[in-house]
Amino acid sequence: GAGVSQTPSNKVTEKGKYVELRCDPISGHTALYWYRQSLGQGPEFLIYFQGTGAADDSGLPNDRFFAVRPEGSVSTLKIQRTERGDSAVYLCASSLGQNNNEQFFGPGTRLTVL
Amino acid sequence: AQSVSQHNHHVILSEAASLELGCNYSYGGTVNLFWYVQYPGQHLQLLLKYFSGDPLVKGIKGFEAEFIKSKFSFNLRKPSVQWSDTAEYFCAVNAKGNNRLAFGKGNQVVVIP
Repeated sequence: GAGVSQTPSNKVTEKGKYVELRCDPISGHTALYWYRQSLGQGPEFLIYFQGTGAADDSGLPNDRFFAVRPEGSVSTLKIQRTERGDSAVYLCASSLGQNNNEQFFGPGTRLTVL
Repeated sequence: AQSVSQHNHHVILSEAASLELGCNYSYGGTVNLFWYVQYPGQHLQLLLKYFSGDPLVKGIKGFEAEFIKSKFSFNLRKPSVQWSDTAEYFCAVNAKGNNRLAFGKGNQVVVIP
């Protein structure tokens, strides 16, 4: 079956611009996660959705970052006024539900802010 | 919050050699433990996981990991590596009831034919 998909695979933008990154989870997975991976580091948690609601957004670095999942499936991560330090690979994962469930990762979106 | 330490970020070894990657975490409560692998050009894939029960966990491709609670460790092992094991390996942990995974920095493993 289809795995987690993310679009675009690469995004190059200029400092100060707004970007949207999309994640399409595995069908039937109610939980969705966003992580950010900088060069030489492991993924860092950003936000977790259970259904349509953000159950834990404590990993979002500041108020320039926002994510939605309006229908409980596809999610969009939105970054306003991008900064060079936002450059990273943004990973999305999904799982069947809460607790003790394996997270399946997508291929990521590589964001470069010039 | 949980944190995960992985040492020896770069590992180079020959085929048929044994591999052991260390993973230590800091969290006082009950945890779930994972090893993920990222092959060149591919996305993160689960190698093995520990939720409860037998602390020696066997995963795919001949990998295994042992959870030692007293040492807060979950080391990954493979007795005899192959060239195809060249990849980056990440240890991850989450507290029971908390879905956010905390990852280590990863081990870049290169297996020379």
